[in-house]
Amino acid sequence: NAGVTQTPKFRVLKTGQSMTLLCAQDMNHEYMYWYRQDPGMGLRLIHYSVGEGTTAKGEVPDGYNVSRLKKQNFLLGLESAAPSQTSVYFCASSYSNMGYTFGSGTRLTVV
Amino acid sequence: AQSVAQPEDQVNVAEGNPLTVKCTYSVSGNPYLFWYVQYPNRGLQFLLKYITGDNLVKGSYGFEAEFNKSQTSFHLKKPSALVSDSALYFCAVRPNQAGTALIFGKGTTLSVSS
Repeated sequence: NAGVTQTPKFRVLKTGQSMTLLCAQDMNHEYMYWYRQDPGMGLRLIHYSVGEGTTAKGEVPDGYNVSRLKKQNFLLGLESAAPSQTSVYFCASSYSNMGYTFGSGTRLTVV
Repeated sequence: AQSVAQPEDQVNVAEGNPLTVKCTYSVSGNPYLFWYVQYPNRGLQFLLKYITGDNLVKGSYGFEAEFNKSQTSFHLKKPSALVSDSALYFCAVRPNQAGTALIFGKGTTLSVSS
């Protein structure tokens, strides 16, 4: 019963460094999403995927890239981290756009 | 633009009193509506959802929500608040369109005092 697993849980980056956040789900869900949560802003959609090999931009995609090479994995990349990307990142997956399962989050600090 | 509004940043209630956390939405068609709760340094926990049918939806931990189509609202309610209900609450909407993601409100902090 793993559900949605996010790796890593915490990370500190220096400005300009790159990193990849991994989201893995074991529920055979078609749809996967990356959100960022900032105080007073709620959760904002970064990118999403409606199936293996497909990705699309959300509300705040700038500075991020994603890949969905396997159905169960959805990767979020930061090529050159900026302090404005300090946030808590949540991954979610869903089936038929109905039930959504969220990961426990990745807390990223860019210094 | 499609959006969700939670007009109150914070709601304060005394333990044992009823609570209401407000949510209104601006989405075309017949959306699906959700409430989530987040405790400090934790992920999002699902409380309840409205898809169709009875306008009063019952969910986890004694929470319920009332869907009002004419007012485009989906307020979260609980008859008797507990201190342990203190958390951050998010209303979310999924437009009735395949391939779309949840749109979240900015969240309301509920503080229940003893």
